[in-house]
Amino acid sequence: DAGVTQSPTHLIKTRGQQVTLRCSPKSGHDTVSWYQQALGQGPQFIFQYYEEEERQRGNFPDRFSGHQFPNYSSELNVNALLLGDSALYLCASSLGLDLYEQYFGPGTRLTVT
Amino acid sequence: GESVGLHLPTLSVQEGDNSIINCAYSNSASDYFIWYKQESGKGPQFIIDIRSNMDKRQGQRVTVLLNKTVKHLSLQIAATQPGDSAVYFCAEMAPNDYKLSFGAGTTVTVRA
Repeated sequence: DAGVTQSPTHLIKTRGQQVTLRCSPKSGHDTVSWYQQALGQGPQFIFQYYEEEERQRGNFPDRFSGHQFPNYSSELNVNALLLGDSALYLCASSLGLDLYEQYFGPGTRLTVT
Repeated sequence: GESVGLHLPTLSVQEGDNSIINCAYSNSASDYFIWYKQESGKGPQFIIDIRSNMDKRQGQRVTVLLNKTVKHLSLQIAATQPGDSAVYFCAEMAPNDYKLSFGAGTTVTVRA
Protein backbone atom coordinates (compact mmCIF):
# COMPACT_ATOMS: atom_id res chain seq x y z
CA ASP A 1 0.00 0.00 0.00
CA ALA A 2 1.81 3.12 -1.23
CA GLY A 3 1.98 6.03 1.14
CA VAL A 4 2.06 9.69 0.26
CA THR A 5 4.95 10.54 -2.04
CA GLN A 6 6.39 13.93 -2.88
CA SER A 7 8.91 15.18 -5.38
CA PRO A 8 11.47 16.54 -5.49
CA THR A 9 13.03 15.92 -2.08
CA HIS A 10 15.09 19.08 -2.12
CA LEU A 11 15.06 22.15 -4.29
CA ILE A 12 17.10 25.35 -4.45
CA LYS A 13 15.69 28.37 -6.24
CA THR A 14 16.55 32.03 -6.62
CA ARG A 15 14.33 34.92 -5.55
CA GLY A 16 11.78 35.77 -8.21
CA GLN A 17 11.75 32.32 -9.75
CA GLN A 18 8.81 29.95 -9.89
CA VAL A 19 8.62 26.43 -8.47
CA THR A 20 6.33 23.42 -8.85
CA LEU A 21 6.11 20.72 -6.22
CA ARG A 22 4.33 17.41 -6.73
CA CYS A 23 2.39 15.03 -4.54
CA SER A 24 0.83 11.62 -5.02
CA PRO A 25 -1.72 10.71 -2.35
CA LYS A 26 -1.86 7.49 -0.40
CA SER A 27 -3.51 4.70 -2.32
CA GLY A 28 -7.29 5.04 -2.10
CA HIS A 29 -7.21 8.68 -1.01
CA ASP A 30 -8.73 11.43 -3.14
CA THR A 31 -8.14 14.60 -1.12
CA VAL A 32 -4.85 16.45 -0.94
CA SER A 33 -3.87 19.22 1.47
CA TRP A 34 -0.72 21.28 1.32
CA TYR A 35 1.12 22.71 4.32
CA GLN A 36 4.14 24.94 4.75
CA GLN A 37 6.46 24.25 7.66
CA ALA A 38 9.06 26.87 8.45
CA LEU A 39 12.09 25.76 10.43
CA GLY A 40 11.22 25.18 14.08
CA GLN A 41 7.50 25.72 13.61
CA GLY A 42 4.39 23.64 13.12
CA PRO A 43 2.90 23.15 9.64
CA GLN A 44 0.64 25.92 8.33
CA PHE A 45 -2.28 25.07 6.05
CA ILE A 46 -1.99 26.42 2.49
CA PHE A 47 -4.98 24.86 0.69
CA GLN A 48 -6.85 21.65 0.03
CA TYR A 49 -7.98 20.01 -3.20
CA TYR A 50 -10.91 17.67 -3.65
CA GLU A 51 -12.51 16.60 -6.92
CA GLU A 52 -9.96 18.73 -8.77
CA GLU A 53 -11.11 21.92 -7.08
CA GLU A 54 -9.68 24.04 -4.30
CA ARG A 55 -11.99 23.43 -1.38
CA GLN A 56 -10.40 25.63 1.25
CA ARG A 57 -7.52 28.04 1.45
CA GLY A 58 -5.39 29.24 4.31
CA ASN A 59 -3.83 32.65 4.78
CA PHE A 60 -1.40 32.52 1.87
CA PRO A 61 -1.04 35.00 -1.02
CA ASP A 62 -2.15 34.30 -4.56
CA ARG A 63 1.46 33.54 -5.47
CA PHE A 64 0.62 30.11 -4.07
CA SER A 65 -1.58 28.12 -6.41
CA GLY A 66 -2.34 24.49 -6.96
CA HIS A 67 -3.92 21.89 -9.09
CA GLN A 68 -5.34 18.42 -8.70
CA PHE A 69 -5.37 15.91 -11.52
CA PRO A 70 -7.98 13.23 -12.31
CA ASN A 71 -5.71 10.60 -10.72
CA TYR A 72 -5.86 12.68 -7.47
CA SER A 73 -2.21 13.70 -7.60
CA SER A 74 -1.56 17.37 -6.99
CA GLU A 75 0.86 20.18 -7.69
CA LEU A 76 1.75 23.23 -5.65
CA ASN A 77 3.05 26.22 -7.58
CA VAL A 78 4.73 29.22 -6.04
CA ASN A 79 5.49 32.26 -8.20
CA ALA A 80 7.83 35.18 -7.57
CA LEU A 81 9.69 33.34 -4.82
CA LEU A 82 10.74 35.25 -1.72
CA LEU A 83 13.42 34.33 0.78
CA GLY A 84 10.62 33.75 3.29
CA ASP A 85 9.21 30.98 1.15
CA SER A 86 12.09 28.77 2.23
CA ALA A 87 10.46 25.93 4.14
CA LEU A 88 9.46 22.29 4.13
CA TYR A 89 6.35 21.83 2.02
CA LEU A 90 4.20 18.97 3.14
CA CYS A 91 1.43 17.18 1.34
CA ALA A 92 -1.23 15.29 3.28
CA SER A 93 -3.86 12.99 1.83
CA SER A 94 -7.20 11.83 3.13
CA LEU A 95 -10.36 10.21 1.86
CA GLY A 96 -13.28 12.30 0.67
CA LEU A 97 -15.15 14.09 3.37
CA ASP A 98 -13.61 11.90 6.04
CA LEU A 99 -10.83 14.31 6.79
CA TYR A 100 -10.12 12.97 10.18
CA GLU A 101 -7.15 10.92 9.13
CA GLN A 102 -4.64 12.90 7.16
CA TYR A 103 -1.42 11.14 6.23
CA PHE A 104 1.63 13.22 5.46
CA GLY A 105 4.34 12.72 2.91
CA PRO A 106 8.03 13.29 3.63
CA GLY A 107 7.94 16.82 2.28
CA THR A 108 9.94 18.90 -0.18
CA ARG A 109 12.63 21.11 1.31
CA LEU A 110 12.65 24.40 -0.66
CA THR A 111 15.51 26.82 -0.21
CA VAL A 112 15.25 30.25 -1.80
CA THR A 113 18.51 32.17 -2.14
CA GLY B 1 -9.11 24.38 40.58
CA GLU B 2 -7.55 21.96 38.17
CA SER B 3 -4.01 22.63 37.10
CA VAL B 4 -3.20 22.88 33.42
CA GLY B 5 0.00 21.42 32.13
CA LEU B 6 2.44 23.94 30.81
CA HIS B 7 3.57 23.59 27.22
CA LEU B 8 7.33 23.18 27.11
CA PRO B 9 9.26 23.47 23.85
CA THR B 10 11.70 20.79 24.94
CA LEU B 11 11.47 17.71 27.13
CA SER B 12 14.34 15.48 28.23
CA VAL B 13 13.33 12.04 29.47
CA GLN B 14 15.26 9.11 30.86
CA GLU B 15 14.84 5.93 28.85
CA GLY B 16 12.18 3.78 30.47
CA ASP B 17 10.41 6.68 32.18
CA ASN B 18 6.99 7.97 31.18
CA SER B 19 6.71 11.18 29.14
CA ILE B 20 3.93 13.75 29.28
CA ILE B 21 3.64 16.31 26.50
CA ASN B 22 1.16 19.14 26.89
CA CYS B 23 -0.68 21.25 24.37
CA ALA B 24 -3.10 24.14 24.69
CA TYR B 25 -5.43 24.43 21.72
CA SER B 26 -6.98 27.66 20.56
CA ASN B 27 -10.42 27.01 19.09
CA SER B 28 -13.16 26.06 21.53
CA ALA B 29 -15.21 24.81 18.56
CA SER B 30 -12.62 22.19 17.61
CA ASP B 31 -13.97 18.68 17.86
CA TYR B 32 -11.10 16.56 16.64
CA PHE B 33 -7.53 16.41 17.85
CA ILE B 34 -4.47 14.54 16.67
CA TRP B 35 -0.96 14.00 17.94
CA TYR B 36 1.79 13.75 15.34
CA LYS B 37 5.41 12.71 15.71
CA GLN B 38 7.95 14.26 13.38
CA GLU B 39 11.46 12.91 13.12
CA SER B 40 14.23 14.93 11.57
CA GLY B 41 13.89 15.16 7.80
CA LYS B 42 10.51 13.44 7.72
CA GLY B 43 6.88 14.39 7.53
CA PRO B 44 4.56 14.22 10.54
CA GLN B 45 3.52 10.70 11.48
CA PHE B 46 0.09 10.02 12.98
CA ILE B 47 0.26 8.77 16.57
CA ILE B 48 -3.22 8.93 18.05
CA ASP B 49 -6.40 10.95 17.75
CA ILE B 50 -9.38 11.80 19.92
CA ARG B 51 -12.78 13.33 19.30
CA SER B 52 -14.37 15.87 21.57
CA ASN B 53 -16.96 13.43 22.91
CA MET B 54 -14.15 11.56 24.68
CA ASP B 55 -11.83 12.53 27.53
CA LYS B 56 -9.27 9.78 27.13
CA ARG B 57 -8.08 7.39 24.48
CA GLN B 58 -5.37 4.78 24.68
CA GLY B 59 -3.15 3.28 22.05
CA GLN B 60 -0.04 1.19 22.15
CA ARG B 61 2.16 2.83 24.83
CA VAL B 62 0.38 6.15 24.28
CA THR B 63 -2.58 7.84 25.93
CA VAL B 64 -4.22 11.10 24.93
CA LEU B 65 -6.18 13.13 27.46
CA LEU B 66 -8.56 15.92 26.50
CA ASN B 67 -9.79 18.64 28.84
CA LYS B 68 -12.27 20.75 26.92
CA THR B 69 -12.97 23.02 29.86
CA VAL B 70 -9.48 24.49 29.75
CA LYS B 71 -8.76 23.61 26.10
CA HIS B 72 -5.89 21.34 26.99
CA LEU B 73 -4.57 18.19 25.39
CA SER B 74 -1.82 15.90 26.61
CA LEU B 75 0.06 12.92 25.25
CA GLN B 76 1.48 10.36 27.60
CA ILE B 77 4.12 7.94 26.38
CA ALA B 78 4.78 4.94 28.58
CA ALA B 79 8.26 3.47 28.97
CA THR B 80 9.90 6.01 26.66
CA GLN B 81 12.38 4.53 24.21
CA PRO B 82 15.23 6.12 22.21
CA GLY B 83 13.09 5.81 19.08
CA ASP B 84 10.59 8.17 20.68
CA SER B 85 13.02 11.07 20.29
CA ALA B 86 11.33 13.49 17.90
CA VAL B 87 9.25 16.65 17.72
CA TYR B 88 5.64 16.13 18.79
CA PHE B 89 2.80 18.31 17.52
CA CYS B 90 -0.80 18.48 18.53
CA ALA B 91 -3.30 19.50 15.86
CA GLU B 92 -6.97 20.47 16.01
CA MET B 93 -9.82 20.56 13.55
CA ALA B 94 -13.19 22.29 13.85
CA PRO B 95 -16.48 21.03 12.39
CA ASN B 96 -16.97 21.86 8.69
CA ASP B 97 -13.37 22.96 8.54
CA TYR B 98 -10.96 21.12 6.31
CA LYS B 99 -7.64 22.09 7.74
CA LEU B 100 -5.52 20.97 10.63
CA SER B 101 -4.24 23.75 12.88
CA PHE B 102 -0.98 22.78 14.53
CA GLY B 103 0.29 23.87 17.90
CA ALA B 104 3.87 24.65 18.81
CA GLY B 105 5.89 21.47 18.84
CA THR B 106 7.70 19.85 21.73
CA THR B 107 11.12 18.34 21.11
CA VAL B 108 11.51 15.15 23.12
CA THR B 109 15.00 13.85 23.77
CA VAL B 110 15.40 10.43 25.36
CA ARG B 111 18.51 9.94 27.52
CA ALA B 112 20.05 6.49 27.60
